[in-house]
Amino acid sequence: AQSVTQLDSHVSVSEGTPVLLRCNYSSSYSPSLFWYVQHPNKGLQLLLKYTSAATLVKGINGFEAEFKKSETSFHLTKPSAHMSDAAEYFCVVSDIDTPLVFGKGTRLSVIA
Amino acid sequence: DAGVTQSPTHLIKTRGQQVTLRCSPKSGHDTVSWYQQALGQGPQFIFQYYEEEERQRGNFPDRFSGHQFPNYSSELNVNALLLGDSALYLCASSLVTAGETQYFGPGTRLTVL
Repeated sequence: AQSVTQLDSHVSVSEGTPVLLRCNYSSSYSPSLFWYVQHPNKGLQLLLKYTSAATLVKGINGFEAEFKKSETSFHLTKPSAHMSDAAEYFCVVSDIDTPLVFGKGTRLSVIA
Repeated sequence: DAGVTQSPTHLIKTRGQQVTLRCSPKSGHDTVSWYQQALGQGPQFIFQYYEEEERQRGNFPDRFSGHQFPNYSSELNVNALLLGDSALYLCASSLVTAGETQYFGPGTRLTVL
């Protein structure tokens, strides 16, 4: 069965500094991996998706993630944080024809 | 192009009551999935509907049931509400042929008193 561990429940960065949100996964097969973002009182928005193509995945709003099979990791990064990036971020794993499995989320705070 | 829509936005019920939540998928999508997101937690999969049939189900009791209509819209029904059912209920739609990329609606906030 798949599982996801988001290593930090809360990350705080200053505006203009890099963002790193960490995610480790467990999967029996070759997984699909996602990052979703949830702003307060809003639904989930897809940031990016990995499906066994290029290991470095570029998403929206300057975010990217690197799939490292040897480390079973899929960390999310952004070179320079913006105030509008403050939100809850979810790492998600899915095997073929199985439901999405979400991590518990990482709350990103951006300090002016 | 309208995205996934859900109604109502908020709902307050009392223990023991029944509730129905509604979801309209993104245009062109044929598959609807439902998730429960408790406060401070990640969403948990309830079930998925395709061609008006339940395809997959998560670890939720039979009090949770659903339906998909010919126009692909869907309902989530919860009977005999418990305080622990208070959560944000999210609907996601996708194309069954496009793998697992799911697009989420804004959710329905259910409060059980």
